[in-house]
Amino acid sequence: GAGVSQSPSNKVTEKGKDVELRCDPISGHTALYWYRQRLGQGLEFLIYFQGNSAPDKSGLPSDRFSAERTGESVSTLTIQRTQQEDSAVYLCASSRDSQAVEQFFGPGTRLTVL
Amino acid sequence: AQSVTQLGSHVSVSEGALVLLRCNYSSSVPPYLFWYVQYPNQGLQLLLKYTSAATLVKGINGFEAEFKKSETSFHLTKPSAHMSDAAEYFCAVSVGNTDKLIFGTGTRLQVFP
Repeated sequence: GAGVSQSPSNKVTEKGKDVELRCDPISGHTALYWYRQRLGQGLEFLIYFQGNSAPDKSGLPSDRFSAERTGESVSTLTIQRTQQEDSAVYLCASSRDSQAVEQFFGPGTRLTVL
Repeated sequence: AQSVTQLGSHVSVSEGALVLLRCNYSSSVPPYLFWYVQYPNQGLQLLLKYTSAATLVKGINGFEAEFKKSETSFHLTKPSAHMSDAAEYFCAVSVGNTDKLIFGTGTRLQVFP
């Protein structure tokens, strides 16, 4: 596609439920990043994929968070047993490779945990 | 460790006035620095980037930023604000071999007629 896409655009869930957020990067981009933007705060790095491997998971806030990437394309971020503090906009970005410098961002998924 | 500080969470200017958004960085190695803009209900868009070439970097929409190593700064400027510049602006530094971005907390720019 023309850009990075994410789905759903909005997700409202109840505390304790699991959610899956999807990211479709730009075709051919081998590097993929997940970030989180909580209200009034900057973006926080969560995880980085190079191809289907995740050499940097240092930003995942707890073991309730996990992510995978398949076919060097789509990535899914899963949050288990959601908590209210997980409410945020989750942003995905891709780049041609990890040395390409410029990352292209998707529109984000706004997650609200009630 | 790399970090970014943006002074001023809100900046208000009149249309036609100078825009100055401040960013200071901390990095143990020569940094790559970025300014991104986020318009309401839209994703982040790259305004400009510094990658150790020219210290004065020109970006889209008339914005520019100057890398000053002595001041560890990368402030964003635009000579004349337009109403359409109203948005949130983020300064970021890239880190290590993964190029993950470390962002500042953002500055919301308001432009008054």
